[in-house]
Amino acid sequence: QVQLHQWGAGLVKPSETLSLSCTVSGGSFSSYWWTWIRQPPGRGLEWIGEINHAGSTNYNPSLESRVTMSVVKSRSQFFLNLTSVTAADTAVYYCARGFIRFDLWGQGVLATVSS
Amino acid sequence: QSVLTQPPSVSAAPGQTVTISCSGSSSNIGTNYVSWYQQFPGTAPRLLIYDNSKRPSGIPVRFSGSKSGTSATLAITGLQTGDEADYYCATWDSSLHARKFFGGGTKLTVL
Repeated sequence: QVQLHQWGAGLVKPSETLSLSCTVSGGSFSSYWWTWIRQPPGRGLEWIGEINHAGSTNYNPSLESRVTMSVVKSRSQFFLNLTSVTAADTAVYYCARGFIRFDLWGQGVLATVSS
Repeated sequence: QSVLTQPPSVSAAPGQTVTISCSGSSSNIGTNYVSWYQQFPGTAPRLLIYDNSKRPSGIPVRFSGSKSGTSATLAITGLQTGDEADYYCATWDSSLHARKFFGGGTKLTVL
């Protein structure tokens, strides 16, 4: 059974970088695009961007200047870095599988931006 | 602010049918596939419908999706108390660098 497991720093100081990781287990890594989505507390879902096994990326234009995604194909892992964070970046961050539909999700990690 | 508009809330009694709308434009829903997600508090969303009307394995037939023009609809028949959750539509916009969008979400209350 394919699973996504994500982890990363729960508390990030303003102006610093939020870093998250997601590991794919039990299935193919190369056949899919991999996506990051976030959800501020009490609010809706926002697409952050996507990456494939070769490292090709597409980012949300509203976040593009601060977002970097990367992959380590040999470990079936992909990563999110979000720089210069503010309180507005406080959210549950999800990793997910898919390009036009997201059929598998990680458990979500709450990232809180606070000094 | 999303380009996809959903009603903030809908409600219905157990056993009844409820529909949730998702309104967009010609460059998103009008052109591209729509998917729907169900989210319970404190958990990750789950894919309910993809490609406008297809159900992934394991999703009950009570859940169905449709699309007409620039709007999509999720229908849930035979409502159960366990269906009480937030529901989101999603698609991408061909005029905005294929950026993916979610609707604002609809809270379903089963009375």
